[in-house]
Amino acid sequence: SQQGEEDPQALSIQEGENATMNCSYKTSINNLQWYRQNSGRGLVHLILIRSNEREKHSGRLRVTLDTSKKSSSLLITASRAADTASYFCGGDSGGGADGLTFGKGTHLIIQP
Amino acid sequence: NAGVTQTPKFRVLKTGQSMTLLCAQDMNHEYMYWYRQDPGMGLRLIHYSVGEGTTAKGEVPDGYNVSRLKKQNFLLGLESAAPSQTSVYFCASSAIPGLAGIQETQYFGPGTRLLVL
Repeated sequence: SQQGEEDPQALSIQEGENATMNCSYKTSINNLQWYRQNSGRGLVHLILIRSNEREKHSGRLRVTLDTSKKSSSLLITASRAADTASYFCGGDSGGGADGLTFGKGTHLIIQP
Repeated sequence: NAGVTQTPKFRVLKTGQSMTLLCAQDMNHEYMYWYRQDPGMGLRLIHYSVGEGTTAKGEVPDGYNVSRLKKQNFLLGLESAAPSQTSVYFCASSAIPGLAGIQETQYFGPGTRLLVL
């Protein structure tokens, strides 16, 4: 079963606009991680938010976590063409030892 | 540092053939993982290892075996390939969290595309 479920499945916006992706998960987590995957490549870590945190920033990225709703959101501000990729959230229930459980991802397209 | 490397990059097998996928990391990470990714899907965990000589089953382990004889290497074997194993396989590694502020970030290899006919 998949821990994370991203929403929307696909998102197309104009360059410069903000992009928001959501993730819902099913079971309790220690932390939630967001990754980016460019076409044909491996996943690249973007940001990690722990279960006792509500919001975290990294550059143009802002992640929120609502453990009561078992949901998280990733906001990319001032989007660029290079942000075009698939974005995945992964739930970590085991302190990192037993892997992440990923959702199906949101495919983001930034129109120039 | 090369990070996480995977060999081969692409392979075509016939049903029933066997093969081994090699993952190597040069970051001295304790934890290693094998995932598979199917079209329109996220990654699903096949097997993982929390240290040299140890392995454990993930979400979809059937049809695969693994070995971690050396800390830096994690091998994924298909004993008798089936068309359902056509997928992209990703290896990842991570350090033990909590040590000197290390997080549970996973570092991924570039993937191996496997086609089973």
